[in-house]
Formats: sequence, C-alpha cells, structure tokens
Amino acid sequence: KNQVEQSPQSLIILEGKNCTLQCNYTVSPFSNLRWYKQDTGRGPVSLTIMTFSENTKSNGRYTATLDADTKQSSLHITASQLSDSASYICVVSVRFGAGTRLTVKP
Amino acid sequence: DTAVSQTPKYLVTQMGNDKSIKCEQNLGHDTMYWYKQDSKKFLKIMFSYNNKELIINETVPNRFSPKSPDKAHLNLHINSLELGDSAVYFCASSQEWGSNQPQHFGDGTRLSIL
Repeated sequence: KNQVEQSPQSLIILEGKNCTLQCNYTVSPFSNLRWYKQDTGRGPVSLTIMTFSENTKSNGRYTATLDADTKQSSLHITASQLSDSASYICVVSVRFGAGTRLTVKP
Repeated sequence: DTAVSQTPKYLVTQMGNDKSIKCEQNLGHDTMYWYKQDSKKFLKIMFSYNNKELIINETVPNRFSPKSPDKAHLNLHINSLELGDSAVYFCASSQEWGSNQPQHFGDGTRLSIL
C-alpha cells in the first residue's frame, strides 16, 4: 500500500466551480507536505509547501490545509479555470501520491 | 531560459542498449534529483545529489549510474536497458538538501524500450 493516498483518482467539474482534493498519508518521519500541479507532458510545478506546524497555506486560488494529527491534507481550488485541468500530486517528505486527475469543462 | 532542462525529450531504443539522459539547471541550486514516473503515474525518487555528492540512492539497480560533473549537472546513464525501464524520467533541483524550498522539475524524458 502506498504511503500517500490521494482521492478522488479523477474529477470533472465545470468552469467556475470550486473543488477539494484529498491526501492521506502514513509517511514517517514527516518533513513537509507539498502539492504539485502537473500538466500533461510537463514536469510537476510546486503549488504549496507546508511544514509540520502549518495548517493552511494559499497560493492564489489554491489553498492547502494540513492536519498533522490525522495525517490528512486537502487542496481547495476556488473558481476553477480551464487551465486548472491537470494532475495534482501530494508529496509527503519524499513520497509521492499517484495524483488526482482534474478536468475542468466549459 | 528554462530552469531545469533535460535531453533528450524522447528516447526510443532496443533492449540491451546503453543510453544517457542529461540534466542541467541554471538556478544555482545545490541539490539535484532523478525521479522515475511509471505507467501508474507514481513518481519515485531514484537519486539525489547535494553539491555533487550522492545523498539518496533508492534501491535502484546498478545498471543506473548518476554522474554529477558539477553542481549544475546531473546525468543519468543506464546500462543494458530492460523493458521495465520504459517510463518517464524527471530531473529536478532544489536550493539545498532538506530545505522547505520547492523542487523545480524538468519536463521529463520519455524512455521507450522496444
């Protein structure tokens, strides 16, 4: 079983809507939790990085939360745009999740 | 002025051959990485170098040998290629090892073994 589990595996939403992606982890030790966006055919691009003591961090329309007690994180995307269509990957320490494939439709 | 560049972008070769993938970063970072992304889209770290010294070697077969001639370059040489080596290989860099700075990724090298 992977130490970083993401859900849902894929998600389709309409442009302008909000969505929340989930990340549960069992990785130990914990150094930080990162969210990346990966467009098709491109390398991942960093969205947020959170340390153990942080429980929320924003980057524009992206807001990540972290609950270190329950070992859960979420990535909330507000007012989605077509360009948000990509895979979103949660990384805990050096362990990667499989990603959530988000499709934003007009 | 690409920050992390990998070459080639595509590599198609036959089983048993030896090939190399090159990576260069112009960000002045101390740490560089190689990742493998398999068909299930998991990214797994293979190697990490900090100031040209090997920091991480994640149970990668000996057929894979990284070479870091200087801080800005981390090349990956693969001997005796096997079908299971087919994947996308990503190079990345970060400011320093163990920091909370983001990693910057290249756009990947898609390796296909015939």
